[in-house]
Amino acid sequence: EVRLLESGGGFAQPGGSLRLSCEISKLSSRDYRMSWVRQAPGKGLEWVSSISESGDKTYYADFVKGRFTISRDNSKNTIFLQMSSLRAGDTAVYYCATQFGLDVWGQGTEVIVSS
Amino acid sequence: DVVMTQSPLSLPVTVGRPASISCRSNQSLVYSDGNTYLSWFHQRPGQSPRRLLYKVSNRDFGVPDRFSGSGSVNEFTLTISRVEAEDVGVYYCMQGTHWPPLTFGPGTKVDIK
Repeated sequence: EVRLLESGGGFAQPGGSLRLSCEISKLSSRDYRMSWVRQAPGKGLEWVSSISESGDKTYYADFVKGRFTISRDNSKNTIFLQMSSLRAGDTAVYYCATQFGLDVWGQGTEVIVSS
Repeated sequence: DVVMTQSPLSLPVTVGRPASISCRSNQSLVYSDGNTYLSWFHQRPGQSPRRLLYKVSNRDFGVPDRFSGSGSVNEFTLTISRVEAEDVGVYYCMQGTHWPPLTFGPGTKVDIK
């Protein structure tokens, strides 16, 4: 069974940047499309971004377009979410999940944007 | 974007009794390939979400058969045939037919009476 391990969360100031990583414990991560979903404190689930198996296709929620970039390194079985121009509203637990159907989820990594 | 609504938003349940949650979309979720990409997720307190059902009624591996999904077009239901204590948490429906974006319902909080 595939397992996902997110890392890279932490504190950032408004306008700052963070890079999240999601390691996929599977010999061939290139078999998996991947997605990021976030959950603000006490709130519901919100899709952020997705990427195709090869990384040639990327998709973003409107509220992160131009600020976040999803990418992947299949040689390292890892996907990334580069977050820039962070806002207080980006404070959330960020989960990575497999496929566009969100089959399997990681444990999440917390991002706090505050001055 | 497709808007997903759920009812009720809070559901007190009794162990051993059935429970159901409704999910509606403001557009048909039937895709051009004939499939309906409506999924259900369960999030226990302090845990990550877990997918229970996909394409309306298909259970994910390891999901107990007391969970079932039904519905079509834009009205869907998650049913728990006999609630167990471990079923507490928040349940979300999600559509994947008209994406991006994937959109979730607001969640239904289930707790034991």
